[in-house]
Amino acid sequence: QVQLQESGPGLVKPSQTLSLTCTVSGGSISSGGYYWSWIRQHPGKGLEWIGYIYYSGSTYYNPSLKSRVTISVDTSKNQFSLKLSSVTAADTAVYYCARISSTSCYVDYWGQGTLVTVSS
Amino acid sequence: QSALTQPASVSGSPGQSITISCTGTSSDVGGYNYVSWYQQHPGKAPKLMIYDVSNRPSGVSNRFSGSKSGNTASLTISGLQAEDEADYYCSSYTSSSTLYVVFGGGTKLTVL
Repeated sequence: QVQLQESGPGLVKPSQTLSLTCTVSGGSISSGGYYWSWIRQHPGKGLEWIGYIYYSGSTYYNPSLKSRVTISVDTSKNQFSLKLSSVTAADTAVYYCARISSTSCYVDYWGQGTLVTVSS
Repeated sequence: QSALTQPASVSGSPGQSITISCTGTSSDVGGYNYVSWYQQHPGKAPKLMIYDVSNRPSGVSNRFSGSKSGNTASLTISGLQAEDEADYYCSSYTSSSTLYVVFGGGTKLTVL
């Protein structure tokens, strides 16, 4: 059973960089066949795909966030990470890490989610 | 504004059936059989209920079924139960050059 767990600060100041890490257990990021993704959900709102990384390091980002987003992978630790720069209150959301099937584009495993609040 | 359009809310009584629609375009829902549906209870992560339009993951009740016609996908829940009350989101692959996956805005299901 694959499990994903987000970790990182729950409070970030405006203009700073939000940094989260997702630790994967029960399966290897390097096994291929999946995109390792970040998805967020603003309070009381719907889901927004942020981007994904393949184990090889190739990435794809939502164009609305592309200029501020970096997703990286550390296969030796079986982790992948999200950095979102120049945050504002509009980036306050629950951030989920997730595994997406590369062939059919569905999320079969989600992390529990972590609330990140942007506030001074 | 979400890329896929869902009704904001639907409701039904226990034992009844309901259907949630998800309308997109020929670049997403209509062009590919890569539609998925997720159930989300308050404070919880979404859970995959349907993938590839109509396939159920292991462990998901057969009361949940999916279908597609043209640019509109549908999730049907039969024999409604109180535990089905949740938010439901559809998602689809998109051939848009700038996106990879798009979500619907979500539908709140109320079991009366």
